[in-house]
Amino acid sequence: QVQLKESGPGLVQPSETLSLTCTVSGFSLTSYNVHWVRQPPGKGLEWMGVMWSGGSTDYNSALKSRLSISRDTSKNQVFLKMNSLQSEDTTTYYCARDPRWGYFDYWGQGVMVTVSS
Amino acid sequence: EIVLTQSPTTTAASPGEKVTITCLASSSVSNMYWYQQKSGASPKLLIYSTSSLASGVPDRFSGSGSGTSYSLTINTMEAEDAATYYCQQWSSNPLTFGSGTKLEIK
Repeated sequence: QVQLKESGPGLVQPSETLSLTCTVSGFSLTSYNVHWVRQPPGKGLEWMGVMWSGGSTDYNSALKSRLSISRDTSKNQVFLKMNSLQSEDTTTYYCARDPRWGYFDYWGQGVMVTVSS
Repeated sequence: EIVLTQSPTTTAASPGEKVTITCLASSSVSNMYWYQQKSGASPKLLIYSTSSLASGVPDRFSGSGSGTSYSLTINTMEAEDAATYYCQQWSSNPLTFGSGTKLEIK
């Protein structure tokens, strides 16, 4: 069945770089888009960016200067890297599958990241 | 950026009651998507392409709308429907979500 699972460090130092991995199963990264979405504690959802099935990317302009999304199709993994982390980047990060129509039919469980020294 | 404004922000309904959540877009969008998020869980797709029910979603949920005004309706509220609901668009970049409507059971 379709699954997505985020992994990464729970704690990151301010000004450091966050690296997260989304490992997927049950579908091919070359057939579906995978997005990253984040949600601060008790707040709403913010779209971060997308790895298109064809291998290109798009980013939220508010994060574009700090964000990079890549993938390894052989390992069924999508990666997120975001630099210059600050306290406002303390949030739960989700990866989600998009069946090429611009919405999310499956979500990962999320990974909570705290930015603190 | 298209801003999605949801109303109400918070509401409560009794079992069996009809609930309507509205999502107003700052510019016209071609489709709206709706998600349900329960406390401590990931969002779950309810409605895609404005009015299509996602797989496994009870048919008491429905969606409608066009242009800048969209709505999610729960025909008969059940206790398990207590959650936060979000609308979402991607008619133009960036993809945006509404700020959420928290629905509680009376």
